[in-house]
Amino acid sequence: QLQLQLSGPGLVKPSETLSLTCSVSGDSISGSDYYWGWIRQPPGKGLEWIGNIFYSGTTSYNPSLKSRVTISVDTSRNQFSLNLHSVTAADTAVYYCATKSYRLWGQGTMVTISS
Amino acid sequence: QSTLTQPASVSGSPGQSITISCTGTISDVGAYNYVSWYQQQPGTAPKVIIYEVSIRPSGVSYRFSGSKSGNTASLTISGLQTEDEADYYCFSYTRSATWVFGGGTKLTVL
Repeated sequence: QLQLQLSGPGLVKPSETLSLTCSVSGDSISGSDYYWGWIRQPPGKGLEWIGNIFYSGTTSYNPSLKSRVTISVDTSRNQFSLNLHSVTAADTAVYYCATKSYRLWGQGTMVTISS
Repeated sequence: QSTLTQPASVSGSPGQSITISCTGTISDVGAYNYVSWYQQQPGTAPKVIIYEVSIRPSGVSYRFSGSKSGNTASLTISGLQTEDEADYYCFSYTRSATWVFGGGTKLTVL
């Protein structure tokens, strides 16, 4: 059964890079024709799609975040990652990873941007 | 890209039916049949209740149904129950190969 496990720091300093990893179990990233995506939700607000990477390596990003986001896949570790650069307090949110056309989500992790 | 338009809140009494609309454009909701709906209870991750406009995942109650007409998708919940009280979000693929959420709708069961 496909499962996602998100990991990463809960606190990041302003101007630094937020890095999160989503570990995949129950299936192989390289052998699955799925999107591997990221979503976030600021406290008390709605959901925001960040971006995704297709199994072929093709990426797609939210235009409002595109200049600061990188999503990559590590097939050897069966993981995919999110890097969000130059973060500010506005990037404080619960971050989720997801796949299977966003039908399967990880548990989410709260990331706070603060010095 | 703009978020899809949903009513901020809807309410209904137990046993009633309610419908939540999700209005987009010809470039997203109107372009493909890739519209999903999520239910989010407080403090939990969103759970998909409808995908590809009208498909209900295994384990989701038959009381949830989805449809689409033109640039507007709709989620209908019939036989409202108190446990349905939650936030609901629509989500659509776009012609730009991106995805976009609706602003969310808070459902109150009176």
